[in-house]
Amino acid sequence: DAGVTQSPTHLIKTRGQQVTLRCSPKSGHDTVSWYQQALGQGPQFIFQYYEEEERQRGNFPDRFSGHQFPNYSSELNVNALLLGDSALYLCASSLLLAASNEQFFGPGTRLTVL
Amino acid sequence: GQNIDQPTEMTATEGAIVQINCTYQTSGFNGLFWYQQHAGEAPTFLSYNVLDGLEEKGRFSSFLSRSKGYSYLLLKELQMKDSASYLCAVRDRGSARQLTFGSGTQLTVLP
Repeated sequence: DAGVTQSPTHLIKTRGQQVTLRCSPKSGHDTVSWYQQALGQGPQFIFQYYEEEERQRGNFPDRFSGHQFPNYSSELNVNALLLGDSALYLCASSLLLAASNEQFFGPGTRLTVL
Repeated sequence: GQNIDQPTEMTATEGAIVQINCTYQTSGFNGLFWYQQHAGEAPTFLSYNVLDGLEEKGRFSSFLSRSKGYSYLLLKELQMKDSASYLCAVRDRGSARQLTFGSGTQLTVLP
C-alpha cells in the first residue's frame, strides 16, 4: 500500500520564477491538504482540496494556487517566488468522512529560492 | 482562529519519562493530534484525542482537558531514536477541519 508521495524531493529556483509541486495521496484517500513548513516552525496550512475543489484556504496570498485531479492527486503552484517562500512543502492526505480524519504526510518537497 | 503553545526544547535521559505540554486557544475545537517529526522527514502520526482523558499507545500516551485547553504527550522508557520534534496540532470545526500546528518541541534524548 503506497503512502503519500511527493515530487520533486528538492528544488532550487530563483526569485520571480514559478514552481509546481506534485502530490499523490495514500490509496483510498480523497482529500489533499498542503502545508508550508519553515525551518524550526510547525507546518502552516495553505489549502485543502476535495472533489477537485478548494475547500478552505489558510493565510497565504493568491500567488499560491492548486489543483486536484480526478484521481485525487494534487498540484501546488507558486508564482513570482520570493526568498521567503523557501521552505519544506508538505502534502497530507485523508479521507474526508473518516471519524478521526487523520492526515498522513508525504516526505515533502524542499524548495530553495535564491 | 487558533493559538497553540508548546516548549521549544526539552532534554531527557535514555530510559526516563518525559512530558511535553501543549496549551491551545481555539474558536472551535474538533480534536487534538500529536505528530513526531525527525529532522528532514515528514511528520508521523502519534495520537489523537477528541474527548477528555488519557489515550495510551505503547510507550506513548496523550492526555486532553478541553475545559483547560491543555494536552500533554507522555513518552516512557525513552530511547535515543525518540530524539525528534514533537508537534501538537488542533483541528477546527470548519468544513476542511484543517490542522493548526504549534511550532514543535525539539526533544533531545541523552545517553
